[in-house]
Amino acid sequence: DAKTTQPPSMDCAEGRAANLPCNHSTISGNEYVYWYRQIHSQGPQYIIHGLKNNETNEMASLIITEDRKSSTLILPHATLRDTAVYYCIVTSGSARQLTFGSGTQLTVLP
Amino acid sequence: GAVVSQHPSRVICKSGTSVKIECRSLDFQATTMFWYRQFPKKSLMLMATSNEGSKATYEQGVEKDKFLINHASLTLSTLTVTSAHPEDSSFYICSATWQASSYEQYFGPGTRLTVT
Repeated sequence: DAKTTQPPSMDCAEGRAANLPCNHSTISGNEYVYWYRQIHSQGPQYIIHGLKNNETNEMASLIITEDRKSSTLILPHATLRDTAVYYCIVTSGSARQLTFGSGTQLTVLP
Repeated sequence: GAVVSQHPSRVICKSGTSVKIECRSLDFQATTMFWYRQFPKKSLMLMATSNEGSKATYEQGVEKDKFLINHASLTLSTLTVTSAHPEDSSFYICSATWQASSYEQYFGPGTRLTVT
């Protein structure tokens, strides 16, 4: 599976959009981009995934560049409860395995 | 839907004893379950993958005789840490998938193991 690179930490003001970047320059054609988040001392929570088209659900939007070498997770109106570590994972996952990197610690500030 | 539970949420055991952690899919049948370990301020590390009725597949460096995994039904997997030592103290998290083609994993809340 392709390796991902994320900034170690980001801050965002409450109510503003949080834009979390992820680089995956070695992604191959059959690999999906997945985003999970982990609130402190809890299990990870699935957020969203995509292959090449932009995706939106009730939690977030996922913007994937045309060359698929990077993506951005957008939380449109961040709340204090969105403070968590966000993981960007790229996988073709024939075994459906997820490899977690170090992620981005997002802190939403009041 | 897609809720995964773990029991216990916290456990303290003495060095040399064994402890069992249960992972249950509450509202779906889990074709595959995964076990992860997470040390403080570190990321999740996959320990093993188990399919119902089959032997678990362990990641490199994970001792299968120390971390016994049983996946006897489509809703229950157990992880037994045998002869626990203080270095086994960690946050153990399970996850489950319910479709053969789905890459979405639903995670349990985790179990905090402390070995004294």
